[in-house]
Amino acid sequence: KNQVEQSPQSLIILEGKNCTLQCNYTVSPFSNLRWYKQDTGRGPVSLTIMTFSENTKSNGRYTATLDADTKQSSLHITASQLSDSASYICVVSYGGSQGNLIFGKGTKLSVKP
Amino acid sequence: DTAVSQTPKYLVTQMGNDKSIKCEQNLGHDTMYWYKQDSKKFLKIMFSYNNKELIINETVPNRFSPKSPDKAHLNLHINSLELGDSAVYFCASSQDLWAAGYTFGSGTRLTVV
Repeated sequence: KNQVEQSPQSLIILEGKNCTLQCNYTVSPFSNLRWYKQDTGRGPVSLTIMTFSENTKSNGRYTATLDADTKQSSLHITASQLSDSASYICVVSYGGSQGNLIFGKGTKLSVKP
Repeated sequence: DTAVSQTPKYLVTQMGNDKSIKCEQNLGHDTMYWYKQDSKKFLKIMFSYNNKELIINETVPNRFSPKSPDKAHLNLHINSLELGDSAVYFCASSQDLWAAGYTFGSGTRLTVV
């Protein structure tokens, strides 16, 4: 069964600290994996997209990793800011030809001053 | 100059009514989608349109019908609204079904009373 599991479900950190969000998937055949940031009341915004051959990709203070062997991805946020408070959603694409997507339930991150 | 715009942003209506949510994208993308986000923040794809043809039609009630007058627009029409239809509905677009990047609208919060 194709699934995307994210952990933790929620996370509270202090401003300036780093954190890592996890995404495990059991999706086949794997096409790519995306991380989205969703602010409350807004639509998801793409942070990074990773294909099978990519291990690490950075976008500013966000760094995503992908281990295709263990089917795990992580999103590391460095020097967190209050504006990082949002839900972070892991989305895995599979099948290749039909644009099939499996969405994780997200991790709700709260950055406190 | 919003890339994917949805209207209305909020919609409160009574059970049994028929309502429509409009979506427009100015990115020149060929594929548009409708997603439903439930109270647990889980995103579920409902429909996908590619060049005005329905490509993915997930098992949603036939009270929901997507209508695409052209490739820049994908409207969602809902008949005989039920309490369980209350959710946030997101429109999204991508270059094609194989595109790695999706652009989401800001969502429409539907409340059925």
